Amino acid sequence: AQTVTQSQPEMSVQEAETVTLSCTYDTSESNYYLFWYKQPPSRQMILVIRQEAYKQQNATENRFSVNFQKAAKSFSLKISDSQLGDTAMYFCAFMKEGYGGSQGNLIFGKGTKLSVKP
Amino acid sequence: DTAVSQTPKYLVTQMGNDKSIKCEQNLGHDTMYWYKQDSKKFLKIMFSYNNKELIINETVPNRFSPKSPDKAHLNLHINSLELGDSAVYFCASSLLGLDTEAFFGQGTRLTVV
Repeated sequence: AQTVTQSQPEMSVQEAETVTLSCTYDTSESNYYLFWYKQPPSRQMILVIRQEAYKQQNATENRFSVNFQKAAKSFSLKISDSQLGDTAMYFCAFMKEGYGGSQGNLIFGKGTKLSVKP
Repeated sequence: DTAVSQTPKYLVTQMGNDKSIKCEQNLGHDTMYWYKQDSKKFLKIMFSYNNKELIINETVPNRFSPKSPDKAHLNLHINSLELGDSAVYFCASSLLGLDTEAFFGQGTRLTVV
């Protein structure tokens, strides 16, 4: 079974600075996807960034980038130039690739509560 | 246009009651899901439906029953509600194998008193 671990329950960062959120996972699958979701106080789950395991290049989305280390099963999220609106819970998630069975099923870490301070 | 919509957003009910949460998606996705987020914010899959067939059912009490009249709708019916059922329930949808992104509804906060 797959597991996702986020070892930082809470973090804080000053506005405009950079912060890195950690995520490790365990799987025997060779093809899979990794995601970071953001959940602000509004409760809405928002996809921040995703990474296909077969891609060596790290995904980037504007101020958000990941450091994907497949051998180490590590998938950290870096937020540059932090903004007050980045304050939220951040969830790392794993998904197997393919059809049938539990494909599409997201397995989440327990989340990291990020506070951006002015 | 809302991609995945759930109703109601808030639901307060007494123990022992039966309630339903509705979910609809207008994205043309073939798979829909229900996730439960507990008081510690932990999210866990409950069910997924692919083309109206249940393809996964985690260890969820049989008081919970998903019902899918068509592939755009996946409702969650809960019988004999218990205090421990209090949580936020999220509906989501995706297109298996082609688009890996899951779109979530805004969640339903269920409070059992």
